[in-house]
Amino acid sequence: EPEVTQTPSHQVTQMGQEVILRCVPISNHLYFYWYRQILGQKVEFLVSFYNNEISEKSEIFDDQFSVERPDGSNFTLKIRSTKLEDSAMYFCASNSYDRPIANYGYTFGSGTRLTVV
Amino acid sequence: LAKTTQPISMDSYEGQEVNITCSHNNIATNDYITWYQQFPSQGPRFIIQGYKTKVTNEVASLFIPADRKSSTLSLPRVSLSDTAVYYCLVVKADKLIFGTGTRLQVFP
Repeated sequence: EPEVTQTPSHQVTQMGQEVILRCVPISNHLYFYWYRQILGQKVEFLVSFYNNEISEKSEIFDDQFSVERPDGSNFTLKIRSTKLEDSAMYFCASNSYDRPIANYGYTFGSGTRLTVV
Repeated sequence: LAKTTQPISMDSYEGQEVNITCSHNNIATNDYITWYQQFPSQGPRFIIQGYKTKVTNEVASLFIPADRKSSTLSLPRVSLSDTAVYYCLVVKADKLIFGTGTRLQVFP
């Protein structure tokens, strides 16, 4: 079964540093997303991306965040100046809408655990 | 976005069928109902999605009554590995809004 791959699995960074989280979505998917989950809390939507531009973003996704699809396979999330409260699991997801409705849904990666110290 | 309400937790035993019901009273005409599963420290995993009546795939069944104000996820013959959090979501456009989910514990 195709997978969404995220790297690194765990990243520790100092407050104020920039981090880039990387994702390789499923190859024929066209819709890409980032979500995050602070420990013990809900999964939260950050941003959706289609056709090389952001289609929607949440209030969390402020000017410190950016996304990019630098080539045909990678999808990245950059946090410019990390804060302690950015510590969370960050999940990348991709989707395709060309399957029977009962079977189409997002495929999530296994996440990157970001720890800001 | 329609708010969903589901039990905080459920217990079951191996081999039993588990039904998790979710209410979504404010669901809109164009909304779909979708269910995800999440294990600790892993990303959510899609289970099933539907609009009305009954939908079945290789993993589960989803029952949606005519008024669409609730839905029931049915997991046949659960095993220990089905212990996880199960989320019911109402999907509008292209964004998933997760609630706190139902924590299912399966016992031997």
